[in-house]
This record gives sequence, C-alpha cells and structure tokens, in this order.
Amino acid sequence: EAQVTQNPRYLITVTGKKLTVTCSQNMNHEYMSWYRQDPGLGLRQIYYSMNVEVTDKGDVPEGYKVSRKEKRNFPLILESPSPNQTSLYFCASSFSRAGGELFFGEGSRLTVL
Amino acid sequence: GESVGLHLPTLSVQEGDNSIINCAYSNSASDYFIWYKQESGKGPQFIIDIRSNMDKRQGQRVTVLLNKTVKHLSLQIAATQPGDSAVYFCADENSGGSNYKLTFGKGTLLTVNP
Repeated sequence: EAQVTQNPRYLITVTGKKLTVTCSQNMNHEYMSWYRQDPGLGLRQIYYSMNVEVTDKGDVPEGYKVSRKEKRNFPLILESPSPNQTSLYFCASSFSRAGGELFFGEGSRLTVL
Repeated sequence: GESVGLHLPTLSVQEGDNSIINCAYSNSASDYFIWYKQESGKGPQFIIDIRSNMDKRQGQRVTVLLNKTVKHLSLQIAATQPGDSAVYFCADENSGGSNYKLTFGKGTLLTVNP
C-alpha cells in the first residue's frame, strides 16, 4: 500500500529536549515536505526536499532542521523544542515538482511543555 | 505575497444537497490548483486538481471551477453525504517558480446534516 508514515503520532516533551519526527514514503517520490498545522493559520510549509541531499526552507523553518540522506526518508529535527512548536505536523511527498498530488502522512501531534 | 483564502470558514448542508466551497487566491502567476479534504484526525487527502488552462474539471461527484479573471476557485460536491463532512482546503502553486510550493488556504469546515 502506497503511504507516508510518520512517527511518533503523538509526543509530549519538555522545552530543550531534542527530538526527531521520522517520515518515510514507499512510493519512490522525489519530493518531500514538512508542514505544520495550527488553528487559524492552516498548513504552513517548514522545509522541503526536491531530491536526495537537496533541501530548502519553506515559510516557517526557524527552530527546525531536516536531512535527506535517502530518497524514502525525510526526518524533521527539533534541536531545542520550545512551546511555540506545539503543533500538528504533517509530512508529505509527491512524484516530482511538476505539480501533482501530494500524499500526506497521518500527522504527528507534538506538545512541548 | 501570495495568499489563498476562503470566503466561508464553515458550511452546513443537508444530506443530499449540493455543496459549494469557495476560495480566492491572490497570485496571478499561480497555474495549478488543488482541493484537499481533511477528515478529523487524518492527513489531507487529494480530491481534485485543475490547471490554469482549464475552467472546469469534473471528478466523481465533485467539480472544480476556476475563474482566472477574478482569481476564484470553487469546489462543488453533488448529493452531499455524511462522509463528506470534513475540512476542505484549496491550494495553489506557481509551477514555473523556483521551488515547488503549495500555498494552502485556512480551510472550510463542511458539516452534512442527516
């Protein structure tokens, strides 16, 4: 089954404790991206990757890092989480940048105390 | 800058009625538009897309209309069912731009009453 898998789905952590949200897709997609979803603000892009070893900032990259060492994986790293990073995070992938369907994961709800 | 917005944050319809969800965009360079559906507790799911060289595109029970003159997009759902209850997002993209970026609207909550 074609899917984008995120882990963990739910996480409560404390300020400053590094965490990683993993994302994996099994569709051999070149493009992957991270979004955060907040009430009243909709979906905002954090980082995206056009292909292996190619990443770039989206609209709200501050406080986040990403890496793309393999085509299928695109982890989101919070080096020192803060309460304003409490949010619902979505990873997404698509075949190419030529426009087309973005496949989203089920989301990771993160709470930073 | 770009913005994609929605005219109505909530829409309540009776089962069997047709639903129309509207969206305005501001970037005249946008040439690709998508509607997504997000059910509670799930990630957004693709519904239908349309390119700027088209005015209308139909899917199964859904139709997207694009009016480039007024930068307006709409999603029509025929014979709305309880399973259609969800938040609907429009998104736009300038596919000729330097990166692949979809700009999402804030969403419209559709509630279908039995």
